[in-house]
Amino acid sequence: DQQVKQNSPSLSVQEGRISILNCDYTNSMFDYFLWYKKYPAEGPTFLISISSIKDKNEDGRFTVFLNKSAKHLSLHIVPSQPGDSAVYFCAAIGVNRDDKIIFGKGTRLHILP
Amino acid sequence: ETGVTQTPRHLVMGMTNKKSLKCEQHLGHNAMYWYKQSAKKPLELMFVYNFKEQTENNSVPSRFSPECPNSSHLFLHLHTLQPEDSALYLCASSQARGDNEQFFGPGTRLTVL
Repeated sequence: DQQVKQNSPSLSVQEGRISILNCDYTNSMFDYFLWYKKYPAEGPTFLISISSIKDKNEDGRFTVFLNKSAKHLSLHIVPSQPGDSAVYFCAAIGVNRDDKIIFGKGTRLHILP
Repeated sequence: ETGVTQTPRHLVMGMTNKKSLKCEQHLGHNAMYWYKQSAKKPLELMFVYNFKEQTENNSVPSRFSPECPNSSHLFLHLHTLQPEDSALYLCASSQARGDNEQFFGPGTRLTVL
């Protein structure tokens, strides 16, 4: 049973517009969430994170929103750039910091010229 | 460049072969991880090492055998694999076990014939 779900396998967005990547989770004990970005032939790299005590975290063009009641988080990229084309993984960690990171299946983002 | 290297980058092996994957981290981290990424599946944690001691084996078949001779090096020894073991194998490290951010290597693309 998947605890972290990314229901859109792929997403295409025009360059300059906003990209919104969604992630849902089922375990209410998750309290820290991360987004990783992966280019082909490379490992995932950390992008941005958010603690459950916040509902928003911003870093440049990247903003992550957390809705705890809906068990939903989203990553907003604005404006989208060609270099943003990659696979984005949502991940979650439980309250116990020894818990493993649980990853979603990923969403492939295509930025169209 | 994340400071985590993996060799080989690509490996093709028969079911009766024995091979090893190597991971090295240059970050001074104390925890190292092996993940498996199969097509259309989330990243699956396989093993966790903390200060060279294995702290987690996520129900991985014995045909996968990890080895951590020191905090900088991690191996995954492969023996009598099955075609369904074909996947991308990713190594990661973090300062300590339970740290939110893990640094990933580029992965080894394994094909079992």
